[in-house]
This record gives sequence, structure tokens and C-alpha cells, in this order.
Amino acid sequence: AQKVTQAQTEISVVEKEDVTLDCVYETRDTTYYLFWYKQPPSGELVFLIRRNSFDEQNEISGRYSWNFQKSTSSFNFTITASQVVDSAVYFCALSELNYGQNFVFGPGTRLSVLP
Amino acid sequence: DAGITQSPRHKVTETGTPVTLRCHQTENHRYMYWYRQDPGHGLRLIHYSYGVKDTDKGEVSDGYSVSRSKTEDFLLTLESATSSQTSVYFCAISESERSEQYFGPGTRLTVT
Repeated sequence: AQKVTQAQTEISVVEKEDVTLDCVYETRDTTYYLFWYKQPPSGELVFLIRRNSFDEQNEISGRYSWNFQKSTSSFNFTITASQVVDSAVYFCALSELNYGQNFVFGPGTRLSVLP
Repeated sequence: DAGITQSPRHKVTETGTPVTLRCHQTENHRYMYWYRQDPGHGLRLIHYSYGVKDTDKGEVSDGYSVSRSKTEDFLLTLESATSSQTSVYFCAISESERSEQYFGPGTRLTVT
């Protein structure tokens, strides 16, 4: 069955530090999709990125970057030079093409960026 | 931002009463979903719809039913609310089954 693990329950950093959020997934499918979402204190869920299993190129968007490694079944998220506004809960999610239900979310990592 | 609204945004109800939550979209997306979010569990799928009158169960469907009579509306019904259904409920939409989902603002439901 598909599964997403985010081993870091909570992380605290000081502003301007770099921080990496880990995501490890399990799937029996050869085609699948990985996602990251952000949930700030206001409660809404914000889509950040979608990656398919055939594209292992790392992605960079401003201060955000994602490292996808099929060999270790990981899809980690790095925030460079963190800011207070990055404080949120971050969810990793997995969707298989051929098996299982729709999205499976990890339990989330709460990131606190201190001024 | 995707045009997704949920109503009501907050509701307090008593055990045993029926409750209906509404999700409305203006994006004409085919897929709609209902999730619940509870501390320590992330988001869990309750039901989803892949078209008008086409629905299927998710991971935690017991005690919930859904209906979709129009593309834009997806209703979640708790036939007889229980305290274990106290949660934050999110609706989401997507163009296809494997594309990213966009979420509504959530409904906080408290069952006393």
C-alpha cells in the first residue's frame, strides 16, 4: 500500500537558516506523483509543487528547492534563508497512477521560524 | 486562487443530529474530494467524486455519505453526527485524478 512518512514532527530554526523537510514514500507503482503543500497558521492549504516519478530533476523556485531521489524513495524540501512567513505545517503527498486510492498525505512537519 | 468555497465555515451541532457540508467550485473541475484533518493524522480522504453522480469511498468513509448532482457542488452528509466526527473538513478539486488538488478554506465542525 502507498504510504508517506514525514519523520520530523516539529522543527524550529532561526530566521535566515536553511532547513530541509524530509519526505519518504512507499509505493508499488512505477508511475506516481509527489506533492508538497503548505498550511500556514491561518489554516488554508497551499499547493507548492507536483513531481512525477519519471522526472528526477531537482526543482528550484526562489528560496524553495526540492530534491527527488527514486533510489531512496525520498522527496525532500529545502527552504533557503528561512523567513518568519515560512512558519507553517508542510505536508508531503503521494498519488499512484495504477494502484490505491487518491492522494495519501503524510502527517506533516510543523516548521517554526523564529525571528 | 482556485474558486472553491465551503459552507458553513463553522458549525456546532449535537450528537445524533444530521449535518450537511457544502463545497462549491467555479473551476469546472471534474474531480472533487472531501477530507478530514485531525491532529497527528494529516489529511484523510473521506469520499471523492469523479463526475456528476459518480462517487467513491476513501480511507475513512464510515458514517459519511456524499452527493454530487451538479459539477460545481459536492455535499458531505453526516447522517447522525458523533463526537468522533469533530474535525476540520476540507474540500478539494482537481482537473484529473493525478493532478494537483486545490483546497477550500475548510469547515470546522464540533459535535457536542
